[in-house]
Amino acid sequence: GQQLNQSPQSMFIQEGEDVSMNCTSSSIFNTWLWYKQDPGEGPVLLIALYKAGELTSNGRLTAQFGITRKDSFLNISASIPSDVGIYFCAGISQGSARQLTFGSGTQLTVLP
Amino acid sequence: EPEVTQTPSHQVTQMGQEVILRCVPISNHLYFYWYRQILGQKVEFLVSFYNNEISEKSEIFDDQFSVERPDGSNFTLKIRSTKLEDSAMYFCASSQESSGNTIYFGEGSWLTVV
Repeated sequence: GQQLNQSPQSMFIQEGEDVSMNCTSSSIFNTWLWYKQDPGEGPVLLIALYKAGELTSNGRLTAQFGITRKDSFLNISASIPSDVGIYFCAGISQGSARQLTFGSGTQLTVLP
Repeated sequence: EPEVTQTPSHQVTQMGQEVILRCVPISNHLYFYWYRQILGQKVEFLVSFYNNEISEKSEIFDDQFSVERPDGSNFTLKIRSTKLEDSAMYFCASSQESSGNTIYFGEGSWLTVV
């Protein structure tokens, strides 16, 4: 099946710092989605990207769909304590109708 | 804001028993999905469902799994004879065709098989 390589696996940052995480694949994806998951809860959609090169913001979050369609990044600016959680990239690959492939997640810890 | 709702939130069952997990997708959505997440691992696709039939399924979704839309609102996942390795969080999700491929997840049903 398709594989998404997400990095970093975990991050410890100071409140107020900016954060960047990314996902790469050897396969082409038609859609990239970024989710946040809190312990014991379902993934919550943060940003959806549908076109190569697309740059989309949602408050302090910005994500881009890579030009090659094989990667995406998520930036969080001016982090706050409630940003703590696991961030997952997910994509729908070329050749799949709607099956999401998830990355392995980035565990974010924000220190006061 | 509309949301995907799932029941039960947590179920403990004995190995070999049948389990039914229930979901109410967002009301105007046409595509429905089940995903699972084993503790500490990433979310994995199980099955997608559209127009009253399975449209895609993964290798995980073997003969012990089945899905059904018994009425106009519910979408269920049945595990026929549970195994220890079926212990996981099961997420239902839905999407609306006209809004592209944005997929919204429920809060999950935590299944523990003992």
